Amino acid sequence: DVKVTQSSRYLVKRTGEKVFLECVQDMDHENMFWYRQDPGLGLRLIYFSYDVKMKEKGDIPEGYSVSREKKERFSLILESASTNQTSMYLCASSLGQLYQPQHFGDGTRLSIL
Amino acid sequence: AQKVTQVQTEISVVEKEDVTLDCVYETRDTTYYLFWYKQPPSGELVFLIRRNSFDEQNEISGRYSWNFQKSTSSFNFTITASQVVDSAVYFCALSDFNQAGTALIFGKGTTLSVSS
Repeated sequence: DVKVTQSSRYLVKRTGEKVFLECVQDMDHENMFWYRQDPGLGLRLIYFSYDVKMKEKGDIPEGYSVSREKKERFSLILESASTNQTSMYLCASSLGQLYQPQHFGDGTRLSIL
Repeated sequence: AQKVTQVQTEISVVEKEDVTLDCVYETRDTTYYLFWYKQPPSGELVFLIRRNSFDEQNEISGRYSWNFQKSTSSFNFTITASQVVDSAVYFCALSDFNQAGTALIFGKGTTLSVSS
């Protein structure tokens, strides 16, 4: 089975801090994704990556950056955390073909105080 | 434009009732895939099924069934004889291929509550 592991299940940070969310997958997937999930808004794509060192903006990239130095690891960075970034963050990975499903981690519930 | 609309925001049923979750999509692509995911209270999204745009056969898996109708751009999900364990948020998603690669467009989800 594919395993997507997010480093923290719950995280509390302060406004203005630099926050790192880490995601690791163990199935040699080309694609990796970061979403945020908010009530009534569903899943919104922040960034995705289809290869090492490659990244593409999703629907809501403002205030975020990403890093993919190794194929198995995809990091989401909040450069200067703000309260409106309090949310559930979900990481996913998939093989490169159009028909491949995404496999998700358990999510990180991030609170910015 | 690529878009997925999940018609119901919330549905509440009593155990053993049948329930259908409706999903309508818009796409510019001739080849595409549709997916359903389940998100139980624990939080992890679980892949349930995938359908391609050329296969309109209905699919049944135990108490779950899916009805794909290209003519109405719908991919509906029915749970027969619902159980409390079916309580979850269900997401419908559409494949999105662009120059950068492949991604999914998700609907906003339908929250299903099954009471005993």
